[in-house]
Amino acid sequence: DSGVTQTPKHLITATGQRVTLRCSPRSGDLSVYWYQQSLDQGLQFLIQYYNGEERAKGNILERFSAQQFPDLHSELNLSSLELGDSALYFCASSVGGTGENTIYFGEGSWLTVV
Amino acid sequence: DAKTTQPNSMESNEEEPVHLPCNHSTISGTDYIHWYRQLPSQGPEYVIHGLTSNVNNRMASLAIAEDRKSSTLILHRATLRDAAVYYCILRVLGRVGKGGSEKLVFGKGTKLTVNP
Repeated sequence: DSGVTQTPKHLITATGQRVTLRCSPRSGDLSVYWYQQSLDQGLQFLIQYYNGEERAKGNILERFSAQQFPDLHSELNLSSLELGDSALYFCASSVGGTGENTIYFGEGSWLTVV
Repeated sequence: DAKTTQPNSMESNEEEPVHLPCNHSTISGTDYIHWYRQLPSQGPEYVIHGLTSNVNNRMASLAIAEDRKSSTLILHRATLRDAAVYYCILRVLGRVGKGGSEKLVFGKGTKLTVNP
């Protein structure tokens, strides 16, 4: 158990809909990261938050947005969903601040868009 | 963007050493080299990391080239539980003074098969 909690574990929704994925980081971790992993694809970095502020942005679509709340949990909002958005979405956390900190990944949220 | 290059797949026999290579020719001086592995249907798991010197821990060893443009993850005695996709990652720091800014770049990973 990495200590990073993601909900829901599985989600099936229709095209055009909107979903919210939730992440609770490890106790004490200030950085939260979101990744997308499509079938047969590597891990694509989406976005990072550090203590409530956006710190780094990857290949995140405009239809996607995220935020980190004062209690440090984070949400990834996916809207106008398309079939191609079906993927495993990982949240990860670390103490943050340097490139040395270990990143701990959650078990992921499986999103299926039908 | 700093990128890594890894072989798509490697195969090993149980209880033999495994050397997993990674090229990162565009690495910057402040980038840490991290290795993670991912078992099927699980989140990635930290293995080891280093900056310039070789590193050892209970899971593996990391050998970093002198010019830092490549590194090798060494599993000293592969077990069936080591079968996974291994990712070589550069922890890229953001702008100076922007504490906590990091951009993490994953390679495609190497799928390691361990034969009994």
